Amino acid sequence: SQTIHQWPATLVQPVGSPLSLECTVEGTSNPNLYWYRQAAGRGLQLLFYSVGIGQISSEVPQNLSASRPQDRQFILSSKKLLLSDSGFYLCAWSAVPRSFEAFFGQGTRLTVV
Amino acid sequence: GDSVTQMEGPVTLSEEAFLTINCTYTATGYPSLFWYVQYPGEGLQLLLKATKADDKGSNKGFEATYRKETTSFHLEKGSVQVSDSAVYFCALRDGGSQGNLIFGKGTKLSVKP
Repeated sequence: SQTIHQWPATLVQPVGSPLSLECTVEGTSNPNLYWYRQAAGRGLQLLFYSVGIGQISSEVPQNLSASRPQDRQFILSSKKLLLSDSGFYLCAWSAVPRSFEAFFGQGTRLTVV
Repeated sequence: GDSVTQMEGPVTLSEEAFLTINCTYTATGYPSLFWYVQYPGEGLQLLLKATKADDKGSNKGFEATYRKETTSFHLEKGSVQVSDSAVYFCALRDGGSQGNLIFGKGTKLSVKP
């Protein structure tokens, strides 16, 4: 069966520090991968998606970047965190060809102080 | 672009009460529609889905019917339990090649004993 792992679960980082959140998927090949952010009162915002290794599409220009160094690995990064980067970050995958649903990781609660 | 609008929360109900959470959408083409649930501190889980007009998705006592004429996908449950307390997200998946999920802002449900 397929599983998705996301870590860390919680993170407290000072303003200006770097960020690296990792997500890996098991049990499937060539998934579509997604990073979402959930900020208080703002619902879920799609940040990045990837259809293959090295292929990243950004939905919202901001202080973050994403990379996909391996087929089932998706990394969310920042060189310098801002207070506004605080939120709940969710990784998700869906099967290709197009599947009807996405599967989510447990999320990372990031607090920038 | 495509969008999802769902009723603002929070919604507070007593156990065994009837639940309706409204969801309407705007989309070109024929999207698939979903309800996801997020329990406290966790990622999102698919609750139910419908892929074409007049389909009814159901799971764990929850139901939603894809109404193309009213562009709606309202979530209902006849008798809620305390364990249903969570945030509920309505979402659509567009019919394009990318098929990204677009979420509503979420509705927090609290069920009191």
